[in-house]
Amino acid sequence: EAQVTQNPRYLITVTGKKLTVTCSQNMNHEYMSWYRQDPGLGLRQIYYSMNVEVTDKGDVPEGYKVSRKEKRNFPLILESPSPNQTSLYFCASSLSRRMNTEAFFGQGTRLTVV
Amino acid sequence: DAKTTQPNSMESNEEEPVHLPCNHSTISGTDYIHWYRQLPSQGPEYVIHGLTSNVNNRMASLAIAEDRKSSTLILHRATLRDAAVYYCILRDLPNSGNTPLVFGKGTRLSVIA
Repeated sequence: EAQVTQNPRYLITVTGKKLTVTCSQNMNHEYMSWYRQDPGLGLRQIYYSMNVEVTDKGDVPEGYKVSRKEKRNFPLILESPSPNQTSLYFCASSLSRRMNTEAFFGQGTRLTVV
Repeated sequence: DAKTTQPNSMESNEEEPVHLPCNHSTISGTDYIHWYRQLPSQGPEYVIHGLTSNVNNRMASLAIAEDRKSSTLILHRATLRDAAVYYCILRDLPNSGNTPLVFGKGTRLSVIA
């Protein structure tokens, strides 16, 4: 079954404690993204990757890092989480960055930073 | 970025058709019209997309106005499982090569049994 898998689904952590949210897709997709969803602000893109070893900032990249060492995996790293990073995070992948391709989203990771 | 306007909420009876409108008066010639939906506690889910012609798939139909300034997502028979927030999104290819999905507030669809 084609899917995007994120882990963990829920995470509570303390300010400053480094964490990684994993994302894996089994569709051999080139284009992957991370979004955060906040009430009243909708979904906003954090980082994206057009292929292995090619990553770039989205609209709200501050406080986040990503890596793309393999095509299937695109982890989101918070080196020193802060309470304003409390949010619902989604990983997405699509075959390419072309405008006529559909995106597949993970189930989400609800992160709380205290 | 070209913007879309959708009603905040709509209501439908179960097993009746639903027409979800979207206005995009500043659409450019290369913008694709995408629809996604987000069910409670889930990630967004692709529904359908089109450029100029009407499109059908197993989930829905997309009717695009001749001038492309508006479109309508049609669910032929609403079920309780269709209750979700529906997003109309325009997708273009800017010089940066990045094509994020820009989600607005969407339309919250309620389905009544």
